[in-house]
Amino acid sequence: DTAVSQTPKYLVTQMGNDKSIKCEQNLGHDTMYWYKQDSKKFLKIMFSYNNKELIINETVPNRFSPKSPDKAHLNLHINSLELGDSAVYFCASSQDKAEVYEQYFGPGTRLTVT
Amino acid sequence: LAKTTQPISMDSYEGQEVNITCSHNNIATNDYITWYQQFPSQGPRFIIQGYKTKVTNEVASLFIPADRKSSTLSLPRVSLSDTAVYYCLPFGNEKLTFGTGTRLTIIP
Repeated sequence: DTAVSQTPKYLVTQMGNDKSIKCEQNLGHDTMYWYKQDSKKFLKIMFSYNNKELIINETVPNRFSPKSPDKAHLNLHINSLELGDSAVYFCASSQDKAEVYEQYFGPGTRLTVT
Repeated sequence: LAKTTQPISMDSYEGQEVNITCSHNNIATNDYITWYQQFPSQGPRFIIQGYKTKVTNEVASLFIPADRKSSTLSLPRVSLSDTAVYYCLPFGNEKLTFGTGTRLTIIP
């Protein structure tokens, strides 16, 4: 009965490769997010997305692209991986409802680029 | 660039009350203030949210002054299991910027 799930949990790959991380939520939420957590534990928003709008953090390279096949899924595709992409990536979701601001996070995907 | 800052780390003994303050000078009018707890190798977990004054739930209290440029998470009578990293996040229509995180260590 996991609320927000991500696969894979660990991903080791070489520079230049293309990879995807999948995220699914079974909460019926309208909005999903991708965050990047670096080695210093800073959490940075990459994207937020609902069926109306994709909001992109302007600091995110265009090698990163979110893809949403349906409301319950928001996958993260990364092209031409670089060493600096190594981090833990978290997916999250929330209701699109006034005064409700709780986000539910997945367990994270640790990406290591060699 | 809006920045949300917190103390890097804090230590406390079991049974004490712990207060962690977050500075969010550029908070937007519509933003609520949320706090999260993160254990190693897990995703952040929501603790509490508030807009102004004081909010209390079963695990914490949140104090927000009138100018809303800061907020304080209060954990009553902490235990070893409260050792974690705590983040604040002003959340609303503006860009989501997590605080820098506070590593709280509870000492037996």
